[in-house]
Amino acid sequence: EAQVTQNPRYLITVTGKKLTVTCSQNMNHEYMSWYRQDPGLGLRQIYYSMNVEVTDKGDVPEGYKVSRKEKRNFPLILESPSPNQTSLYFCASWTGLNTGELFFGEGSRLTVL
Amino acid sequence: KQEVTQIPAALSVPEGENLVLNCSFTDSAIYNLQWFRQDPGKGLTSLLLIQSSQREQTSGRLNASLDKSSGRSTLYIAASQPGDSATYLCAVLETSYDKVIFGPGTSLSVIP
Repeated sequence: EAQVTQNPRYLITVTGKKLTVTCSQNMNHEYMSWYRQDPGLGLRQIYYSMNVEVTDKGDVPEGYKVSRKEKRNFPLILESPSPNQTSLYFCASWTGLNTGELFFGEGSRLTVL
Repeated sequence: KQEVTQIPAALSVPEGENLVLNCSFTDSAIYNLQWFRQDPGKGLTSLLLIQSSQREQTSGRLNASLDKSSGRSTLYIAASQPGDSATYLCAVLETSYDKVIFGPGTSLSVIP
């Protein structure tokens, strides 16, 4: 089954404690992206990657890092989380220029105390 | 800069009604437009994808149209059911292929 898998789905942490949210897709997509969703602000792109070892900033990259060492994985790293990073995070991958269809993971709800 | 808006922000209808959700975008240089459904606290499920060269797509009770020149798309839901209650988002993929811009969503409630 084609899917995008995120872990953890729920996480409560404290300010400053480094954490990683993993994302994996099994569709051999080249493009992957991270979004955060906040009430009243909608979905905003954090980082995206067009291929292995190619990453670029989205609209709200501050406080986040990503890496793309293999095609299937695109982890999101919060080096020193702060309360304003409390949000619902989504990873997505897309089919590329064939159809441009986006597939989303189930989301990771992060709370930073 | 591309901006995507959706009207109305919220909609409540009795079961069985046909309804239309609207999506507008400011820059017609798009590669495609995709409609998603999101249940509370859940991920986004793709409903319909319309390429820039297409005018409409249909899936079951759903029909989406695209008018690129006017910067508009509509999602038509026929014979609405309580299970259709969710937030519906539209998103455009820009022709630069590096960014998908989402609308704020329409929250739909179908009353039994």
